[in-house]
Amino acid sequence: DIQLTQSPSSLSASVGDRVTITCRASQSISTYLNWYQHKPGKAPKLLIYAASSLQSGVPSRFSGSGSGTDFTLTITSLQPEDFATYYCQQTYSTPPTFGQGTKVEIK
Amino acid sequence: EVQLVESGGGLVKPGGSLRLSCAASGFTFSSYGVNWVRQAPGKGLEWVSAISSSSSYIYYADSVKGRFTISRDNAKSSLYLQMNSLRAEDTAVYYCARENSYGDFIYFDYWGQGTLVTVSS
Repeated sequence: DIQLTQSPSSLSASVGDRVTITCRASQSISTYLNWYQHKPGKAPKLLIYAASSLQSGVPSRFSGSGSGTDFTLTITSLQPEDFATYYCQQTYSTPPTFGQGTKVEIK
Repeated sequence: EVQLVESGGGLVKPGGSLRLSCAASGFTFSSYGVNWVRQAPGKGLEWVSAISSSSSYIYYADSVKGRFTISRDNAKSSLYLQMNSLRAEDTAVYYCARENSYGDFIYFDYWGQGTLVTVSS
């Protein structure tokens, strides 16, 4: 199975900050990488698919980049509603696997 | 509006069985693959199982293979997960998620809010 390692596991940030989360794959996955936002008690929400494509309806402050084994999710100006846990997911091969998550907390 | 609503969770003893359901609406259910994903307390997301639109392809995580069975009824726009021989480590919130694609790129674009399964004596 392909392992995904996210860093950091958690971070504290303020409204308006630029936030970067990285995801590293245990082998090359081209751009078969998605990003999700998850809030407690809510359904996970797709943000980015195919490494850099913004899902319809997702604010443009979210962006994704990378290919091969190294990927990045960037939030350019953190908003109060962005405090959540973020997961990367690979769909290069079955089973699809998730990173362990990055919790973004209020500083 | 696309909606996925899970049901059937609850408290069950180790070794017991439970059947989860996911009712879909707002889209042509028979045109999409669907997945089950779970989240154990304090843990991250873990993919459990997938079924293609016509049930031709079915996949399971190693952790549930031989114990869980995924199925669907396109006439009822419903997805199911039959869970047998349940273990404490199966305790989790179970989500159903619609699978979509952009060319070869697969992603889960809609998720339900989940149903809690607790395995405990």
